[in-house]
Amino acid sequence: DAGVIQSPRHEVTEMGQEVTLRCKPISGHDYLFWYRQTMMRGLELLIYFNNNVPIDDSGMPEDRFSAKMPNASFSTLKIQPSEPRDSAVYFCASRATGLAGVVEQFFGPGTRLTVL
Amino acid sequence: GENVEQHPSTLSVQEGDSAVIKCTYSDSASNYFPWYKQELGKRPQLIIDIRSNVGEKKDQRIAVTLNKTAKHFSLHITETQPEDSAVYFCAAAYGFQKLVFGTGTRLLVSP
Repeated sequence: DAGVIQSPRHEVTEMGQEVTLRCKPISGHDYLFWYRQTMMRGLELLIYFNNNVPIDDSGMPEDRFSAKMPNASFSTLKIQPSEPRDSAVYFCASRATGLAGVVEQFFGPGTRLTVL
Repeated sequence: GENVEQHPSTLSVQEGDSAVIKCTYSDSASNYFPWYKQELGKRPQLIIDIRSNVGEKKDQRIAVTLNKTAKHFSLHITETQPEDSAVYFCAAAYGFQKLVFGTGTRLLVSP
């Protein structure tokens, strides 16, 4: 298995532009998570899905952020309009429902976003 | 909501020494406590986890202990090696979904 796949790996954009981050979870995993990592705030859960349905979006910082999961193999995190304070590494993670007691969340390689 | 505190923020040891990282959590309902290792520029990777029905768990040179009464848990690494150098994060959750992470400990193992 290729693991969790994220694209792009690096994104540099200007303030006010729309940014779309993409994630492909591990095949067969029914949970998908979006995290943000910054020096100031550490690793924060933004939103998670179960069977493509958003379960908890309480970590989404504001209405400029939105996430979708149109099918089991694809999710997007969109920021519109982007601001310099959105600069961070965004991780996607996935896990399967308790197979053989395994509950590990597997992280993707992350997308490093820089908003100028 | 859950709040996780982690100490120390940095830890320097000599190769072969032991390293201990401590975390406290606030929500007594939390029942899952994973530890992740993150090397520079890489993704976090699970190294060990423990559930609230267990007091201690070991995996080779790594062990985790949990004190539910005091609401704290610790990571112990014995016989440290330079490749153990990384940032280590603890986390807590009720269920296995909504992980709340500590602020991280930068471990440096000197040869």
